[in-house]
Amino acid sequence: AQSVTQLGSHVSVSEGALVLLRCNYSSSVPPYLFWYVQYPNQGLQLLLKYTSAATLVKGINGFEAEFKKSETSFHLTKPSAHMSDAAEYFCAVRNSGGSNYKLTFGKGTLLTVNP
Amino acid sequence: DGGITQSPKYLFRKEGQNVTLSCEQNLNHDAMYWYRQDPGQGLRLIYYSQIVNDFQKGDIAEGYSVSREKKESFPLTVTSAQKNPTAFYLCASTGFTEAFFGQGTRLTVV
Repeated sequence: AQSVTQLGSHVSVSEGALVLLRCNYSSSVPPYLFWYVQYPNQGLQLLLKYTSAATLVKGINGFEAEFKKSETSFHLTKPSAHMSDAAEYFCAVRNSGGSNYKLTFGKGTLLTVNP
Repeated sequence: DGGITQSPKYLFRKEGQNVTLSCEQNLNHDAMYWYRQDPGQGLRLIYYSQIVNDFQKGDIAEGYSVSREKKESFPLTVTSAQKNPTAFYLCASTGFTEAFFGQGTRLTVV
């Protein structure tokens, strides 16, 4: 079984400040890990993914995440928040092997950016 | 352009009615999924299908049904047995790594 825990259902930062959204996972096999972003009344858009290559992954819109196996973490960061980053962010995990591509999602973190 | 199309974007259901949400993909993906999203609860898996003519229940399948007669299509029926159907419904398909999502259908009971 696999699971994802996102610490903090709501994170608020000032424009220009560091963004840090936390994600811890549980998986019995080597995982693939993902961060998605969702704007109101829209579907989910992939920000970045870890698929067992480099542990530091760069994504769109200046976001990056680091896979830390010893900490079972995959935290999302951005050095300087922009107003357009305000959205809900979801961390997800799936097994890296086999044919079961089912994703398990965290409960999401709503990011607010204050001017 | 390849992608996933969900329709309609907004849907209203009367008490006791069945309604069907459409999901079509042209990404040539084998696996397709339906998720339900409620505020503060993240995405919960309703049903998924990894191949045509086969599907499995997810975590909250009660009151829902699906079919997978074609690779491109995975419609979801919300039956009258689903007592609290008001939610945002998302369809997804997966390639080798990530999932691709449709734009969602917001279902409201009136």
